[in-house]
Amino acid sequence: DGGITQSPKYLFRKEGQNVTLSCEQNLNHDAMYWYRQDPGQGLRLIYYSQIVNDFQKGDIAEGYSVSREKKESFPLTVTSAQKNPTAFYLCASSREWGSSYNEQFFGPGTRLTVL
Amino acid sequence: GNSVTQMEGPVTLSEEAFLTINCTYTATGYPSLFWYVQYPGEGLQLLLKATKADDKGSNKGFEATYRKETTSFHLEKGSVQVSDSAVYFCALSGRGFQKLVFGTGTRLLVSP
Repeated sequence: DGGITQSPKYLFRKEGQNVTLSCEQNLNHDAMYWYRQDPGQGLRLIYYSQIVNDFQKGDIAEGYSVSREKKESFPLTVTSAQKNPTAFYLCASSREWGSSYNEQFFGPGTRLTVL
Repeated sequence: GNSVTQMEGPVTLSEEAFLTINCTYTATGYPSLFWYVQYPGEGLQLLLKATKADDKGSNKGFEATYRKETTSFHLEKGSVQVSDSAVYFCALSGRGFQKLVFGTGTRLLVSP
């Protein structure tokens, strides 16, 4: 079945450590996204990628980095510069960039906790 | 800029009750509107969408109508089930750009 996988489901990190969250899709989608979700808040966009080898900062990119070396993969690194990284992270994809008609498909999420 | 406002939750209902979750938006032009649902511990799933004024999106007994005159996209269901308990997000996407703008979400709790 086609879909988006994220791993791990739960992740614990010590302060000062970088950590990488995995996101893989087999939907053949061009565009991919990373969101952060905090309790009682909506989703906030961290980074997005329209196509392979291209990515753009979203609304809250500070302290995060991404890469898009393959169409199906869009890993997110949470660096030690991110001041409050404990959150639920969601990866999404959509078929193509530039059309507001395309829905975004979401992965199951990774819950990151900084100890 | 674009924004979405949802009613605060939680919304607590008994099984078979009628559901309305209000959503209003601010946007330039003619955005597309979406309702997503998030079950506990999971990602978001698209519930329904509408891409132009007066369109009605529907799925699994849920409905929402794109009302341009009131800039609203209220979610309704005639008879809720316990399995509908989840968080519901209203979202919009402006033309020509895939960035989704989300509301803060409304938690629905349905009791037997």
